[in-house]
Amino acid sequence: ETGVTQSPTHLIKTRGQQVTLRCSSQSGHNTVSWYQQALGQGPQFIFQYYREEENGRGNFPPRFSGLQFPNYSSELNVNALELDDSALYLCASSFGPASYNEQFFGPGTRLTVL
Amino acid sequence: DAKTTQPPSMDCAEGRAANLPCNHSTISGNEYVYWYRQIHSQGPQYIIHGLKNNETNEMASLIITEDRKSSTLILPHATLRDTAVYYCIVRGNDMRFGAGTRLTVKP
Repeated sequence: ETGVTQSPTHLIKTRGQQVTLRCSSQSGHNTVSWYQQALGQGPQFIFQYYREEENGRGNFPPRFSGLQFPNYSSELNVNALELDDSALYLCASSFGPASYNEQFFGPGTRLTVL
Repeated sequence: DAKTTQPPSMDCAEGRAANLPCNHSTISGNEYVYWYRQIHSQGPQYIIHGLKNNETNEMASLIITEDRKSSTLILPHATLRDTAVYYCIVRGNDMRFGAGTRLTVKP
């Protein structure tokens, strides 16, 4: 059974650019959640996708957007990058969105905005 | 904001039980208590979760008080590899992480 994978591992962008991060969910999982983790802080919920539809969103501006594909993999897009967007971006997958379904995290993508 | 309160740091001797407390006094009836840990900026690792009853798996035990306002994660025989940041999360529609407890297991 393959776990959650993310690509790329590391990424360096400049302010104002756009970035796309990718996540492959664990086999059998139809729900993907994205989190942003700034240095020294806990992960912050960005949004969740369930069966290709957004199913909840945290306190992030619209320049953070996402997509889920029919195979349940997912993308996180961030437009107009700001210095404060530098962080570890984590995705997590689960069997469904219900709160009793544990989420399994990928290794993350480290984004640096210069 | 996170709905949990945890001590910022704890130490534990190798081979002893590590008991990590968490307060969640505003938990709602349908919200689960989850525990994750994170080792040095890797992705958080799922440990255990529960609603009302105490739970045990191969990694840990979760003790939830009867009023559900607090819980304790127990690592029965801590090893050096258990050194990590431990997050207690009250999960409803989404998971909101707090700052966690940095557990250091010492030889």
